Amino acid sequence: AQKVTQAQTEISVVEKEDVTLDCVYETRDTTYYLFWYKQPPSGELVFLIRRNSFDEQNEISGRYSWNFQKSTSSFNFTITASQVVDSAVYFCALSDYAGGTSYGKLTFGQGTILTVHP
Amino acid sequence: ETGVTQSPTHLIKTRGQQVTLRCSSQSGHNTVSWYQQALGQGPQFIFQYYREEENGRGNFPPRFSGLQFPNYSSELNVNALELDDSALYLCASTPTGAPNEKLFFGSGTQLSVL
Repeated sequence: AQKVTQAQTEISVVEKEDVTLDCVYETRDTTYYLFWYKQPPSGELVFLIRRNSFDEQNEISGRYSWNFQKSTSSFNFTITASQVVDSAVYFCALSDYAGGTSYGKLTFGQGTILTVHP
Repeated sequence: ETGVTQSPTHLIKTRGQQVTLRCSSQSGHNTVSWYQQALGQGPQFIFQYYREEENGRGNFPPRFSGLQFPNYSSELNVNALELDDSALYLCASTPTGAPNEKLFFGSGTQLSVL
C-alpha cells in the first residue's frame, strides 16, 4: 500500500532562514509520481511540483528546490530565504497506478505547518 | 485561480442527516475527485468520477456517494451523517485522471456535524 510520511508536524523559522521539509514515501509500483502542494489558510491546495519516478534530477524554481532520492525513497523540499508569505501547510503526495487501475488517486502525507516570522 | 468552485463554503448538520456538497470543475476536465481532510490531517481520497461514472474509490463506506454531470459539475452526497464526518471536503479536477496529472483543487466545503 502507498504511504507518505512527513517527519515534521510544525516548523517555525525567522524570515530569510532556509528551511527543509522532509518527505518519505512507500510504494510497490516502479512507475509513480510525487507531488508537493501548498495549502494556504484559504483552503485550496496549490500545486508546486510534480516528479516522476524515473527522473531523479533535482529541481530549482526560484527560492524553491526539491531533492528526489530514489535510494532512500525521499522527496525533500527546501525553501531558501524564507518569507512570511511562505507560511502555509505543505503536503507531499504520491500517485501511482494502484495495482493496475489508472485513476490518479493521491496519497497525502500528514502535512507540515510552516510558520515564517518577520 | 484553479477554476474549481465549491459550494457551500461552510455547512452545519446534525448527526443522522444527509448532506449534498457541490463542485464546478474546469471546462474540459472530465475527471473529478473528492477528498476528505480532517483537522490536522492530509486529504484522504474518497472517490473519482470520469465521464459520469465512478472509476475509483478509497476506503469510505457506501453512504458516501457521488454524481458527475455533463456540464462539469458534480456532487458529493453523504447519508446518515456521523460526528467523524466533520471535515473539509475538497473537490479536484483533471482532464483525464491519469496518475501524472496535477490536480486543480477548490477551496473546499467545511462540514460540521453536531
